[in-house]
Amino acid sequence: GQNIDQPTEMTATEGAIVQINCTYQTSGFNGLFWYQQHAGEAPTFLSYNVLDGLEEKGRFSSFLSRSKGYSYLLLKELQMKDSASYLCAAMDSNYQLIWGAGTKLIIKP
Amino acid sequence: ETGVTQTPRHLVMGMTNKKSLKCEQHLGHNAMYWYKQSAKKPLELMFVYNFKEQTENNSVPSRFSPECPNSSHLFLHLHTLQPEDSALYLCASSSFGGQGGDEQFFGPGTRLTVL
Repeated sequence: GQNIDQPTEMTATEGAIVQINCTYQTSGFNGLFWYQQHAGEAPTFLSYNVLDGLEEKGRFSSFLSRSKGYSYLLLKELQMKDSASYLCAAMDSNYQLIWGAGTKLIIKP
Repeated sequence: ETGVTQTPRHLVMGMTNKKSLKCEQHLGHNAMYWYKQSAKKPLELMFVYNFKEQTENNSVPSRFSPECPNSSHLFLHLHTLQPEDSALYLCASSSFGGQGGDEQFFGPGTRLTVL
């Protein structure tokens, strides 16, 4: 079957760095997405990786290892507004997104 | 503002009611999606439309009936729902569907409560 695993909840301190991990098992693979979802709001796109390696976009970076079925989202210089759920989703051979349940990130002052 | 709007934002209905959810995208996209989001569960893909044609129906009960009159509008018609159908219903759109890296843009969702 197809499956995405990510931690349910994480806590970090303002100004620090946090890494949110995601492992996936899909029928075929056409890339890995990360989305951010604030409470009561729509998910918004953060990143897309299809090749191995690290993609950096400002304070956020995303890493992919296809051989390990593993990705992480790295958030630097954490701000209070980064408190949100972070959704990992892998695109399967039919180009459908298989979603994780999301990681709720709590930022403390 | 993602360019995808949904109405209503909140809906309370009884099990015998009939209601419809509406989604509109202003992005010129050709693919539209309905998702169900329940607390602490992964997003569940319900339906996919590509160029107004339904291309995916993930074993959704017939009490949910989608309609896509054109590439900009998507409806979800609801009838004789069950309390377990209470959830956040999200609409999304993307440029093409069926293509790698095709980012999906989400609407704010309709919070549905079935009494």
